[in-house]
Formats: sequence, structure tokens, C-alpha cells
Amino acid sequence: GAGVSQSPSNKVTEKGKDVELRCDPISGHTALYWYRQSLGQGLEFLIYFQGNSAPDKSGLPSDRFSAERTGGSVSTLTIQRTQQEDSAVYLCASSPQGWGLGNTIYFGEGSWLTVV
Amino acid sequence: AQKITQTQPGMFVQEKEAVTLDCTYDTSDQSYGLFWYKQPSSGEMIFLIYQGSYDEQNATEGRYSLNFQKARKSANLVISASQLGDSAMYFCAMTPRGTGKLIFGQGTTLQVKP
Repeated sequence: GAGVSQSPSNKVTEKGKDVELRCDPISGHTALYWYRQSLGQGLEFLIYFQGNSAPDKSGLPSDRFSAERTGGSVSTLTIQRTQQEDSAVYLCASSPQGWGLGNTIYFGEGSWLTVV
Repeated sequence: AQKITQTQPGMFVQEKEAVTLDCTYDTSDQSYGLFWYKQPSSGEMIFLIYQGSYDEQNATEGRYSLNFQKARKSANLVISASQLGDSAMYFCAMTPRGTGKLIFGQGTTLQVKP
């Protein structure tokens, strides 16, 4: 597609349930990122995939969070046993390469997660 | 550790006037990139402008310019001739050398008054 595509755009789930958020990056982009944005806050880095390299998971807040990227393209962020503090917008982004100055990162419109 | 600081939680500007959004950063790297993103109420993050740490000239993109003062570690965004559609949250961000991660500031909410 023309841009980074995320689904679902909105998700309401009950506390304790698992959720999966999907990201389809811009075609040809080798780098893919997940960020989290709580209401009125800045963006918090979660995880970063670059090509076939091991992902940088340094931003994942707990072991309830995991992500995978299949075939170097689509990525799924999974949150197990959701808690109310997980409520946020989850933004996926991609870039042509994973390094290099001027490597612009393009964002999707986000998945709004509400845990009730 | 790298850090981005945006000290203005909210700003107002009159339509057609210029406005400066402040951004300071902290890094020990010599090579890094600085970005500004716009986030309207719809939630999408829109790339505005980029400045490399070794670029001697300030970056410009249409009505946007980045006032880069390396010694002061500041990268302020200047929006000229503000428009009502400029009302949004603006984020300053940095990419340290060798990583693909963007480190974001807390953002500044800009409201343009007619």
C-alpha cells in the first residue's frame, strides 16, 4: 500500500484478555518499529525490526508484550493478559533502512486500545 | 543517555504570524539526526523536517524551518505564516547514530487563532 497500514484502528478489550495488533509497512521498507503513546504523552519506543537481524526489544515494558515480523514484512504486536494501563495508541512505523541519518520514519494511523 | 526536551506544553499563535517551537536535546554522540513531526487530532504522525548534525545550513521545507544551534544543542521549529490547519501537537525527535530508533520529546500543542 501507499502508507503504513494498521489494524484494528480501534479495539476495546476486557482486562485479562489477549490482543493482537497488526502492522503492514510500506512496501520495500526494511525497518519496522512499534511505539506506544498514552493519552497526552509522547511516544514510547517498544520494539524495532531491521531486516533479518535480531529485533531490538529494549522498549517492551513487560514479558506480556511480544512482537514478531513474518517474511520481513507484516508485524504483529501481541499483548497478553491485558491490564488497564495498557490502554494507549499503538503506532507502527517503517523506514527504507534501519540506519543512516536522514532515514525518515513513516507512521501509520495507530491502533487505539482500550482495556476495560 | 539521549534525551529530548520540549519545554512548551502549549502555544498559541495568531493566524498568519510566525511561531517558534522549542526543542533541546542531550547526547554525547557527534553524529545524529533531528526530526520534527506533526500530530493532528486524527492521531497520525506526519514527518515535517529533518536536520543532520553535520549539516551546516538550517533545514527548510516550505513554511517550516529548523533553527539548528549545535553548540547549544537546540533544534527549534519555526513555522512561518501560520494557518488554522497547523493546529496540532508537534514532536521533536532524535535518531542517535547507529540506531533506527527515534527518541521523542513530550510534545508541544499549538493552537492557531483566527
